[in-house]
Amino acid sequence: NAGVMQNPRHLVRRRGQEARLRCSPMKGHSHVYWYRQLPEEGLKFMVYLQKENIIDESGMPKERFSAEFPKEGPSILRIQQVVRGDSAAYFCASSPGTDNYGYTFGSGTRLTVV
Amino acid sequence: GDSVTQMEGPVTLSEEAFLTINCTYTATGYPSLFWYVQYPGEGLQLLLKATKADDKGSNKGFEATYRKETTSFHLEKGSVQVSDSAVYFCALRRNTGFQKLVFGTGTRLLVSP
Repeated sequence: NAGVMQNPRHLVRRRGQEARLRCSPMKGHSHVYWYRQLPEEGLKFMVYLQKENIIDESGMPKERFSAEFPKEGPSILRIQQVVRGDSAAYFCASSPGTDNYGYTFGSGTRLTVV
Repeated sequence: GDSVTQMEGPVTLSEEAFLTINCTYTATGYPSLFWYVQYPGEGLQLLLKATKADDKGSNKGFEATYRKETTSFHLEKGSVQVSDSAVYFCALRRNTGFQKLVFGTGTRLLVSP
């Protein structure tokens, strides 16, 4: 029973490029959450998705960031025209329902913008 | 808004020493409280939780008690091991509907033999 799978583990992008981060939830989990960890900071909520729906995106920057969780395939966090300030660890978590006591986190994607 | 404050690290201890990592919170109402642990190169794992005042969460020798009067949830362990070296995050979550986890900045624990 694989856990939450995130890939890539490490991603290097030049300023202005696009970054695509993938998250495959645990089997049976239909709720996905993305968090960002900036250097020397705690994790901050970005977005909560269910299949084909964005439920809460109150933590997403208004520009350049988008997320989706299609009917088939992994959830994708997309960052367009990356800047140095986007360098961070991005964590995905999944749960079987809205009670997020059952959160399971992935190992994260570490994005470095050069 | 809701917030969590943790003691700054790193906390450096010798094996078998007593551990305390302080955590205080600010929130409306009575949130649930959590400790997560992050081992090097891995994601966060739930270590323990408490959902109401005076509850004690415990796991793997770690304990934390939900103190409403001091708005605290300090993490303790009587005898740490080298394998406990990790980053520990305190977090809270409100209890109505979907609510995001609000994390502290994390405390790195280093245990030497």
